[in-house]
Amino acid sequence: DIVMTQSPDSLAVSLGERATINCKSSQSVLYSSNNKNHLAWYQQKPGQPPKLLIYWASTRESGVPDRFSGSGSGTDFTLTISSLQAEDVAVYYCQEYYSTPYIFGQGTKLEIK
Amino acid sequence: QVQLVQSGSEVKKPGASVKVSCKASGYTFTSYGISWVRQAPGQGLEWMGWISAYNGNTNYAQKLQGRVTMTTDTSTSTAYMELRSLRSDDTAVYYCAREITMVRGVMGGWFDPWGQGTLVTVSS
Repeated sequence: DIVMTQSPDSLAVSLGERATINCKSSQSVLYSSNNKNHLAWYQQKPGQPPKLLIYWASTRESGVPDRFSGSGSGTDFTLTISSLQAEDVAVYYCQEYYSTPYIFGQGTKLEIK
Repeated sequence: QVQLVQSGSEVKKPGASVKVSCKASGYTFTSYGISWVRQAPGQGLEWMGWISAYNGNTNYAQKLQGRVTMTTDTSTSTAYMELRSLRSDDTAVYYCAREITMVRGVMGGWFDPWGQGTLVTVSS
């Protein structure tokens, strides 16, 4: 099974500042047949289901604010929130959909400093 | 709008079974698969398995093989997840999620949307 490791486990950022969350996979999730990274990012607020933010590692889902961006390839990925808003307080998960079992990172809890 | 609505909370005794439903609306049910993901209290997300609503093919997480069965009813656009021989560590919120892929009937996609979740509590 692929192992997905996020860092840090928790993060406190001031309003308006940049937040960066990293995700590392134990093997490449770049699929050679389509040259795409099979990596998604989700946001989960307390008491709610996860919400899709990013797929193919860098494609923003429709309706997701453009302050959210994804980058990286192969085994190393980053979710960046360019200017933190109060409503961004949540736990963020990366997930590989390269092979089964699909594996999620352990989550990164983002708070306001 | 695309929506997945799950059945309500359940309380079960160890050794019992639970069947959770997930009713889809707002899209062609047979064009996508459904994955099931669970989240134990205060913990992260664990993928349980997938079913194609197109042809009924399934793919289960190895740790649940033999205890889980996923089915669909295309006449009502509903997916089901049954978990048997329940243990206390099966206590979790269970989510269904539509899996988005470029090709109908195959895996390898992201999850959107998710159902609201169903809390299953296993306690004697």
